[in-house]
This record gives sequence, C-alpha cells and structure tokens, in this order.
Amino acid sequence: ETGVTQTPRHLVMGMTNKKSLKCEQHLGHNAMYWYKQSAKKPLELMFVYNFKEQTENNSVPSRFSPECPNSSHLFLHLHTLQPEDSALYLCASSQDSSGRGPDTQYFGPGTRLTVL
Amino acid sequence: QKEVEQDPGPLSVPEGAIVSLNCTYSNSAFQYFMWYRQYSRKGPELLMYTYSSGNKEDGRFTAQVDKSSKYISLFIRDSQPSDSATYLCAMKSSGNTGKLIFGQGTTLQVKP
Repeated sequence: ETGVTQTPRHLVMGMTNKKSLKCEQHLGHNAMYWYKQSAKKPLELMFVYNFKEQTENNSVPSRFSPECPNSSHLFLHLHTLQPEDSALYLCASSQDSSGRGPDTQYFGPGTRLTVL
Repeated sequence: QKEVEQDPGPLSVPEGAIVSLNCTYSNSAFQYFMWYRQYSRKGPELLMYTYSSGNKEDGRFTAQVDKSSKYISLFIRDSQPSDSATYLCAMKSSGNTGKLIFGQGTTLQVKP
C-alpha cells in the first residue's frame, strides 16, 4: 500500500448505529487530519493530530470522536449521527502541522457516508 | 466575507483550449498557495505549490500568484478530457497557527 488509504470507501448507517472510519498513511508523516466535504462547500477541517496529539478540534459535535493511536493510523468513531452528517470524509497527512512551511497535505480517497 | 473565494462553475471548454481557474482571498498573511485536483469519487491530489508571489510552471500547468491583488490563478494549456475534474485552491499563512484554507472548488469539463 502506498500513500493514504481509507476504509471503508462507502458506509450507510442509521442514526442509532455506531461505526468507525479508518485511515492509514504510508508516507512517514507526523500529522494527520480529518476533513468533511459536502456538496458545494469548501473542505471543512474537523480534527488535526500532530505526533499523536490532538492539536485542533474545529468545533466538531461530540457524535464524532477521533482516535490517533500512532502517527500512521487515524480513526473517526461515529455514533448517533444525523442525516446532515452525510458527506465525503477525507483523511490527509503531512510532514507535521507545526505551522511553519507549506504543510503540504496528501489525501486519501475518502469514505462516502450516508446517514439514513 | 469568506477567506477564500472560488467560482464553483461548472466550466466547460473544448479540448485544446487554454483554461484559467482563479481564486481570490482576503487574508494578506497567506504565503503558501496550492492547487489540488479532485477526480470524481477520489480524494484531492496536490498539483502545484507556490510560495509568495510569482509564477511556477509544470508541464501544461502554470500557477500564478498576485499578492498585491490577492488573486491566484491556475492555467492549463492544451486541455485534455483527462483534465476534467474539480480544482481546489488552498492557501496558508506561515505562522504557527496557519491552517490550510480551501476554496469551494471549480468543476472543469473538457469536451473532446
């Protein structure tokens, strides 16, 4: 595997379900990100982890819970979601997110989430 | 006012045309400017990155930054049907709290 991988690619869940999204990066990076991409809207940054520590929570509802066990893996745990949470969830990684430098981010293919 | 403005299109051009994609921004602290390409059902992939003002060329693609006007452009020469995608601009300041801010994306269709 190369780059950034995400599983599952598609997920349909009911509002009472609990599910998790998984992201893995094979680039040796130290920062990982979760973004939400909805139709006709810019990418919304949700969470940032730098060297396994959460450095950014962009006012995300608590029904989204991130977990970063190491610099290569990132999870997004989902529970009691709403239909408006249906979107493409993208994971990205970069060398680090300290703010200095371009912070070039590399994205995975995304998980298309549908909440019924 | 949004920090980054990008016309969502769609923009439709014939094969071989020169395409101009643009973004405007309001934050004068932005120093790093990027263009990502996103094909349908895929994640964004980095096309080009520019620091501060000036031009950068890579094959058929040219990125241009005009900081005085707070305006960036991506030009695609000899456009191909395979260039059909959504193009996202993104930018960032150099400070410690600099986050990557994305435009909405412009959908481009190149017709054979």
